[in-house]
Amino acid sequence: SAVISQKPSRDICQRGTSLTIQCQVDSQVTMMFWYRQQPGQSLTLIATANQGSEATYESGFVIDKFPISRPNLTFSTLTVSNMSPEDSSIYLCSVTPGQGVSGANVLTFGAGSRLTVL
Amino acid sequence: AQSVAQPEDQVNVAEGNPLTVKCTYSVSGNPYLFWYVQYPNRGLQFLLKYITGDNLVKGSYGFEAEFNKSQTSFHLKKPSALVSDSALYFCAVRDADSSYKLIFGSGTRLLVRP
Repeated sequence: SAVISQKPSRDICQRGTSLTIQCQVDSQVTMMFWYRQQPGQSLTLIATANQGSEATYESGFVIDKFPISRPNLTFSTLTVSNMSPEDSSIYLCSVTPGQGVSGANVLTFGAGSRLTVL
Repeated sequence: AQSVAQPEDQVNVAEGNPLTVKCTYSVSGNPYLFWYVQYPNRGLQFLLKYITGDNLVKGSYGFEAEFNKSQTSFHLKKPSALVSDSALYFCAVRDADSSYKLIFGSGTRLLVRP
């Protein structure tokens, strides 16, 4: 399965600032996803990052707050904009190889980026 | 709407004893079910999945899960627990409207005591 590197692994941020999280995959993948895991809670899908087009956002998440880039098949970024303490979460990048490929339907996750907003 | 429920926030077992982590689901159509494990400060790791076929699915680290259609359950099991199995376990179901979107349960913390 793919190996995912996320940066930063953790950060402490000030209210009102923005932070960009990077996700690098060691192989080309069709589908990349960004999840949020709030403290003590489950994972919630933020958006699907599409190569060459705009990301597809889930209900409750908007591009102005969580802009996403996907410049190629191995890399994506998620920016958390104008942060507030409520944005304190673990943000996880995940990938799946795509339809018809061995391992389809199984998500591989990065280790996550733990953000604390003061 | 698709959903999964993990009724137990925490499960405590003694090392060497069998463990069960419960999951029930609600889906329209055929369920695609998954178990993931999250160790401290690490991302989620895939354990096993049920798509079709045998109701007993074997996965990584000696874990298995039994798909029960009549009870709409997909409980995770292991015959003999290890202290190193202590982690957060998530059950998930694939969203019927998406080929890849997963809907996760609330998670169950497994604590295996020596």
